[in-house]
Amino acid sequence: DAKTTQPNSMESNEEEPVHLPCNHSTISGTDYIHWYRQLPSQGPEYVIHGLTSNVNNRMASLAIAEDRKSSTLILHRATLRDAAVYYCILLRYGTSYGKLTFGQGTILTVHP
Amino acid sequence: NAGVTQTPKFQVLKTGQSMTLQCAQDMNHEYMSWYRQDPGMGLRLIHYSVGAGITDQGEVPNGYNVSRSTTEDFPLRLLSAAPSQTSVYFCASSYTEGFGNTIYFGEGSWLTVV
Repeated sequence: DAKTTQPNSMESNEEEPVHLPCNHSTISGTDYIHWYRQLPSQGPEYVIHGLTSNVNNRMASLAIAEDRKSSTLILHRATLRDAAVYYCILLRYGTSYGKLTFGQGTILTVHP
Repeated sequence: NAGVTQTPKFQVLKTGQSMTLQCAQDMNHEYMSWYRQDPGMGLRLIHYSVGAGITDQGEVPNGYNVSRSTTEDFPLRLLSAAPSQTSVYFCASSYTEGFGNTIYFGEGSWLTVV
């Protein structure tokens, strides 16, 4: 399975944009790029996912490099509630059956 | 919407005891799974099921049993609890087909084995 690499931690100030990077140099053509986040003492929650094109939803934006070997999760205006561990995960369409392989993730700290 | 419901939320066991962590989902998802999360670590897959009557092992299955008699329920059984099984357990579910396979997680069950 293709693996992802993320920075261990990042910091941001409240109401500023945050760009969380993820490298996945061995990604295959049918791998979807998923982002989940885990708030303290809670289960992971879905943030966003994409395949090739950039994606936007009410929580975040996902920018995918043209060669798909990296992606960036963008939180447009960080809030204190966005402080969490963010996981970048690859899911192979049709075969992964939701078998998520979690790395260490990026711990995001948001300062007031 | 209940989503994915796990019980109990907290449990303390003595070494050698057995117990069952319950997981139920009301979204008619075919796929269900159990993960464990140790302090400071990412989640690791224990067992999963792609439908009623079908289960398979994940990354760390030893010491755990599962069964899937209905679409809604996927209990995780600890056969003889050991201190190494002290962890937070998360149940998850999703559709097996469809765009992107978004996975939904329960709130977790905190288990301590003494």
